[in-house]
Amino acid sequence: GQNIDQPTEMTATEGAIVQINCTYQTSGFNGLFWYQQHAGEAPTFLSYNVLDGLEEKGRFSSFLSRSKGYSYLLLKELQMKDSASYLCAVRGRSGNTPLVFGKGTRLSVIA
Amino acid sequence: DGGITQSPKYLFRKEGQNVTLSCEQNLNHDAMYWYRQDPGQGLRLIYYSQIVNDFQKGDIAEGYSVSREKKESFPLTVTSAQKNPTAFYLCASSMEQYQPQHFGDGTRLSIL
Repeated sequence: GQNIDQPTEMTATEGAIVQINCTYQTSGFNGLFWYQQHAGEAPTFLSYNVLDGLEEKGRFSSFLSRSKGYSYLLLKELQMKDSASYLCAVRGRSGNTPLVFGKGTRLSVIA
Repeated sequence: DGGITQSPKYLFRKEGQNVTLSCEQNLNHDAMYWYRQDPGQGLRLIYYSQIVNDFQKGDIAEGYSVSREKKESFPLTVTSAQKNPTAFYLCASSMEQYQPQHFGDGTRLSIL
């Protein structure tokens, strides 16, 4: 079976840094993806990790530890527009196969 | 511009009626997917197709049907057998294993 866990909700202050954690248990592993989803909209791709370590993209960074089944998304210099749900997804099987999604973390950025 | 187009944006279904949601992509992606999202829930996989004329059931395929006659198109039919169809339906596509899935803007389906 496959299981992906992330916190349901988080609140952070504008200008601060927030870390959203994701743990996963899957029968295989071929990459971990982070998506951002604003209310009522489709998810948009943020970052991708297949090897252990940190991937940085501007204000967003994502970290992966395959041995621990753990990833986090780090958002720096938070802005009000970062208020959204953040979805962690894993590609368990090899090949061009479907992603399995966690339930998402709803982040509220407050002034 | 390349992308994934879903239509309609909003759809209403009457009791006992089948409805079809359209998904078209011009990204030349091989794989296409249908997910369902309910409030407060993650995305759940309905069907996917890795190649033309072939598709596989996902976790919640009951009450749905699909076809993949062309690479660009992957329509989803919500049949009358699906007793709780109200949800946000998302179509996605991807090029290859190490590439992300890209999503259309979604179709919101409600029961009249």
